[in-house]
Amino acid sequence: DAGITQSPRHKVTETGTPVTLRCHQTENHRYMYWYRQDPGHGLRLIHYSYGVKDTDKGEVSDGYSVSRSKTEDFLLTLESATSSQTSVYFCAISTRLNSPLHFGNGTRLTVT
Amino acid sequence: DAKTTQPTSMDCAEGRAANLPCNHSTISGNEYVYWYRQIHSQGPQYIIHGLKNNETNEMASLIITEDRKSSTLILPHATLRDTAVYYCIVRADGYGGSQGNLIFGKGTKLSVKP
Repeated sequence: DAGITQSPRHKVTETGTPVTLRCHQTENHRYMYWYRQDPGHGLRLIHYSYGVKDTDKGEVSDGYSVSRSKTEDFLLTLESATSSQTSVYFCAISTRLNSPLHFGNGTRLTVT
Repeated sequence: DAKTTQPTSMDCAEGRAANLPCNHSTISGNEYVYWYRQIHSQGPQYIIHGLKNNETNEMASLIITEDRKSSTLILPHATLRDTAVYYCIVRADGYGGSQGNLIFGKGTKLSVKP
């Protein structure tokens, strides 16, 4: 959808291990976002990027870091996964500040 | 917290128009109304957005009341593939990232029935 690929689509990992999720876009959009979706909480913004090497925190950034070394790739890293980070993670992109977001199909992460 | 109120669920007969209401009584002058939908196990899909004028695209129409305190998303000829959760969101113009965070509420689960 909208040239966004998230990988992996599913992952099971153990508590305490590092995990990196990848978002790759082919649209050359400037803005990229990471959201998590949990029952009862809707979608919550973790981190976002407004350009290469330019990132900032969202409302639930604790325990997560991001990197964007190329326009097309936005990586989300869980340095030491916890069970509370079991969730579905969505990447989104947009062209401008006031343009609609387009989402990938998500990564389902389970931390045991 | 979400700044919109939507019914929890709605049913619609296939081929009929689906009218999904949304209340946003505290909307500010610079806030747009956005509609997204999420089909099971997929990412949210952008449908339409507007400020104060009615809008139409190939997917739907958006009707915003004159006082902007409520709006209605219209799917003119609903199909079974339109079964999804529909989210109405208000978002300030000119802000990205955290300030422009899309705050998704619980949405309306639309079930299109044969």
